[in-house]
Amino acid sequence: DAKTTQPPSMDCAEGRAANLPCNHSTISGNEYVYWYRQIHSQGPQYIIHGLKNNETNEMASLIITEDRKSSTLILPHATLRDTAVYYCIVRVEDFGNEKLTFGTGTRLTIIP
Amino acid sequence: DAGITQSPRHKVTETGTPVTLRCHQTENHRYMYWYRQDPGHGLRLIHYSYGVKDTDKGEVSDGYSVSRSKTEDFLLTLESATSSQTSVYFCAIKGTGTDTQYFGPGTRLTVL
Repeated sequence: DAKTTQPPSMDCAEGRAANLPCNHSTISGNEYVYWYRQIHSQGPQYIIHGLKNNETNEMASLIITEDRKSSTLILPHATLRDTAVYYCIVRVEDFGNEKLTFGTGTRLTIIP
Repeated sequence: DAGITQSPRHKVTETGTPVTLRCHQTENHRYMYWYRQDPGHGLRLIHYSYGVKDTDKGEVSDGYSVSRSKTEDFLLTLESATSSQTSVYFCAIKGTGTDTQYFGPGTRLTVL
């Protein structure tokens, strides 16, 4: 799996859009970008994933640059409940038993 | 809610005692995983299962065994608990034809 680089921490004001960057300059053509988050003391939670097109779901949007070397997770209207550690993971889509490998992630704090 | 429960949620035990953690799912998913999470190490895979009675080791399997006698339950056993096994344990599931893992709420185990 390709290595990812994320800032260790970020703050965002409540109600504003939170934009979390991820660099993955060594990504391969068949590797997807996944985002998970972990709210304090809870299990990790899947957010979204994509290959090269931008993706949106009820939780967030994922913007992947044209060269696919970086991406941004956008939480459009951050709430206090979005305070968590966010993990960007790059991996080949696997329908088998492949484990997930989490890095250190970005600790996002939503400020009231 | 992916229908995953873990029991117990908290446990304190003494060195040398056997401990069994249970992961239960209601979604009939094929794949199940046990991870442990420790400060500075992130999530590490202990064992996983790809079907009833089909299990395999992960990266930190020493001191742990698993069993899956029915689809909905995946048990993790510490035959003789040690202080190094003090950790938070997460179960995860994944369905066929998807690469999204859903995590349980975790079990906090303390070995004194």
